[in-house]
Amino acid sequence: GDSVTQMEGPVTLSEEAFLTINCTYTATGYPSLFWYVQYPGEGLQLLLKATKADDKGSNKGFEATYRKETTSFHLEKGSVQVSDSAVYFCALRGTGGFKTIFGAGTRLFVKA
Amino acid sequence: NAGVTQTPKFQVLKTGQSMTLQCAQDMNHEYMSWYRQDPGMGLRLIHYSVGAGITDQGEVPNGYNVSRSTTEDFPLRLLSAAPSQTSVYFCASSYKGQGAGGYTFGSGTRLTVV
Repeated sequence: GDSVTQMEGPVTLSEEAFLTINCTYTATGYPSLFWYVQYPGEGLQLLLKATKADDKGSNKGFEATYRKETTSFHLEKGSVQVSDSAVYFCALRGTGGFKTIFGAGTRLFVKA
Repeated sequence: NAGVTQTPKFQVLKTGQSMTLQCAQDMNHEYMSWYRQDPGMGLRLIHYSVGAGITDQGEVPNGYNVSRSTTEDFPLRLLSAAPSQTSVYFCASSYKGQGAGGYTFGSGTRLTVV
């Protein structure tokens, strides 16, 4: 079945550092790919998405490119802020368009 | 718009008790899902619905029931609570289909079973 694997955390960075959180997936067909962010005590919020190969999703300085050849969707940000501290989830929605599968989440701490 | 509204926010149950977690959305989304979130395990799908009158099981459906009598509401029923059901529960909704975009999540219900 479909699955999502993302790097284990926590990831600790200093403010203004470069961020990469790796995400790879296994799926049949052409899934849609997502990154969600969860701040403490809140529900998940959609951060960005990509629906086909080579698409780049972007939002709030975060970017991720849908790489079908490597089945990856790595999240990047050029300069993190303390306010980016949160848990980040990679997810895919399968070709049938019904179920969404989530990775285990990666906690990010950004120090001032 | 209110988005996705979950009630209650917190609940403590005794083993064997039953209860219903409420979820309502006002965006006319066809697709609604229930997930549970446990430390280190991400989100696991309990049940989902692709429209009124249609529901199906996810990864971890045992001990839970759902129904979808209207587009707006998707309650989750715990039949006989067990300590293993202690978790944070999230309801989410979206438009249906491959290119429909991501979920809108509720703020969650934190359930403790003692």
